[in-house]
Amino acid sequence: DIQMTQSPSSVPASVGDRVTITCRASQGLSSWLAWYQQKPGTAPKLLIYAASSLQSGVPSRFSGSGSGTTFTLTISSLQPEDFATYFCQQTQSFPRTFGPGTKVHLK
Amino acid sequence: QVQLEQSGAEVKKPGASVKVSCKASEFTFNGDYLHWVRQAPGQGLEWMGWIDPNTGDTGSAQKFQGRVTMTRDTSINTAYMELSRLRSDDTGVYFCARESSGHYDAFDIWGQGTMVTVSS
Repeated sequence: DIQMTQSPSSVPASVGDRVTITCRASQGLSSWLAWYQQKPGTAPKLLIYAASSLQSGVPSRFSGSGSGTTFTLTISSLQPEDFATYFCQQTQSFPRTFGPGTKVHLK
Repeated sequence: QVQLEQSGAEVKKPGASVKVSCKASEFTFNGDYLHWVRQAPGQGLEWMGWIDPNTGDTGSAQKFQGRVTMTRDTSINTAYMELSRLRSDDTGVYFCARESSGHYDAFDIWGQGTMVTVSS
């Protein structure tokens, strides 16, 4: 199974900050990597697929980069609605595994 | 609106089974797989398994093998996940999600989640 890790596990941030989250895979994924945002009590929402492709309707302040085993999600200027937990997921093989999550919270 | 609509919350006793439904609205099951994901209270996302709505073929994570059954009824665009021999640590929110081949197999549509509580 492919193991996914994320760092940091928690990010204290303020509105307007640039936030970067890193996701690492135990095996090479090429670009088979997705990022999701989840707010309490709601289902995850797809933000980025294919490592760097922005899902339709997602603000352009979100961006993804990387390939192989190391990936990043960047929020260029944090907005109030962006305080949430972010998960990466590998979509290359079964079992589809998720990272443990990174919580972006108010500093 | 394209969405997945899940059945309501369930409370079950240890050892019982639970069956959660997931109905597609405004789209038809086609070649895209349907997945099930679990989230224990305050925890991360745990992938459980998948079903091919066209063929009925399924696959599941090793920890759920022998306890999870995934089925579908294409006539009503609905998929089901049944988990048997429930334990207290099965408590959590269960999501269905559509895998999109056009999105590098990412999960582009999610159900709203079904809370399952296992308690004696």
